[in-house]
Amino acid sequence: GIQVEQSPPDLILQEGANSTLRCNFSDSVNNLQWFHQNPWGQLINLFYIPSGTKQNGRLSATTVATERYSLLYISSSQTTDSGVYFCAVGSGQAGTALIFGKGTTLSVSS
Amino acid sequence: DAGVIQSPRHEVTEMGQEVTLRCKPISGHDYLFWYRQTMMRGLELLIYFNNNVPIDDSGMPEDRFSAKMPNASFSTLKIQPSEPRDSAVYFCASSFSDTEAFFGQGTRLTVV
Repeated sequence: GIQVEQSPPDLILQEGANSTLRCNFSDSVNNLQWFHQNPWGQLINLFYIPSGTKQNGRLSATTVATERYSLLYISSSQTTDSGVYFCAVGSGQAGTALIFGKGTTLSVSS
Repeated sequence: DAGVIQSPRHEVTEMGQEVTLRCKPISGHDYLFWYRQTMMRGLELLIYFNNNVPIDDSGMPEDRFSAKMPNASFSTLKIQPSEPRDSAVYFCASSFSDTEAFFGQGTRLTVV
């Protein structure tokens, strides 16, 4: 099956800093989503981005499907950005049968 | 819409007991997924349904696990008998026409 690798595994930032999270996947996909799991355990949708670039406020994401990677950019980080960021991909008949990476744990301090 | 609704939010049970987790997908969504999250294995897909029909249950760990979707607005995941290693957070998710998936708040299961 598809392998999903996220880097870095852990990231510690000061408030206001920018960061880039990376997701590599081993095969072609027809779905890619980024999630934020907050300290209460909720999985919050950030981006549905099988290809191209999207922006939502301080967050943006780019997926280069032909090169099998996606990037999540967080600008001007805030303490509320802390948590685990997951990349998940899908392929084949059900693209939303997602395979998750192990996540990047982000800690933002004030 | 209220989103994907799961119940209960927390469940503590004794080893050997039957556990039933419930999920109400977003109205109009035709795909429903059950995932499990543990520290050791991360988030893993257990089973998914399309139009109430189970499509792939290859992620279900053992015969002790079963899932049903009797109608478009309700699904259950049952563990019988439960074991301590089943302790995890169980998520339900749904999507429309195989696009973006949305997750419920999860059920934290503890088997003692």
